[in-house]
Amino acid sequence: QQQVKQSPQSLIVQKGGISIINCAYENTAFDYFPWYQQFPGKGPALLIAIRPDVSEKKEGRFTISFNKSAKQFSLHIMDSQPGDSATYFCAASIFFQGAQKLVFGQGTRLTINP
Amino acid sequence: NAGVTQTPKFRVLKTGQSMTLLCAQDMNHEYMYWYRQDPGMGLRLIHYSVGEGTTAKGEVPDGYNVSRLKKQNFLLGLESAAPSQTSVYFCASSPPWKRGDNEQFFGPGTRLTVL
Repeated sequence: QQQVKQSPQSLIVQKGGISIINCAYENTAFDYFPWYQQFPGKGPALLIAIRPDVSEKKEGRFTISFNKSAKQFSLHIMDSQPGDSATYFCAASIFFQGAQKLVFGQGTRLTINP
Repeated sequence: NAGVTQTPKFRVLKTGQSMTLLCAQDMNHEYMYWYRQDPGMGLRLIHYSVGEGTTAKGEVPDGYNVSRLKKQNFLLGLESAAPSQTSVYFCASSPPWKRGDNEQFFGPGTRLTVL
């Protein structure tokens, strides 16, 4: 099953708070789990990514937590700032029919209130 | 480097009209992709290409055709546009697959409205 389920659809967080977005998948063949950030009118851009042999990856204020047994992963944004307001997509990568493909979650619109 | 560029940025079509969206990349990437983005549905793969002269169907290929005559360009065509094709279209490119490391680079998108 090549689906990635993302929640919540929208999230409002106060400045300085922690933003948490969750994703779940079924296919154990996925081998790479990136998060993309998209600002209005722009294309998605890679924010942070993790491989399934690692349980956590941190880059600055952004952390991915990965639970292989539960087939879930999440993005945590610490000390959330108004500039973090954007749409976030989780994704899972699989090599299938001769190409690497990304399966995207539905997206989360994050708003950070000042 | 311009990265991935798309033309046009906006377009309004009438039902039944045709058009071509152009994607160009200057990163010498082998793989190129076309996605559509609709509210609440994330990005869905339309067609992709693993190299010059090759194309393949993605998740939602119906109503679209593609061509990759040059490595740096990937064209998406709508032969007879329908209102269901109203969407934002994104092109992306990436280097060949490498296990555990597969960043795709996205263009700025084309907003298409079909009336």
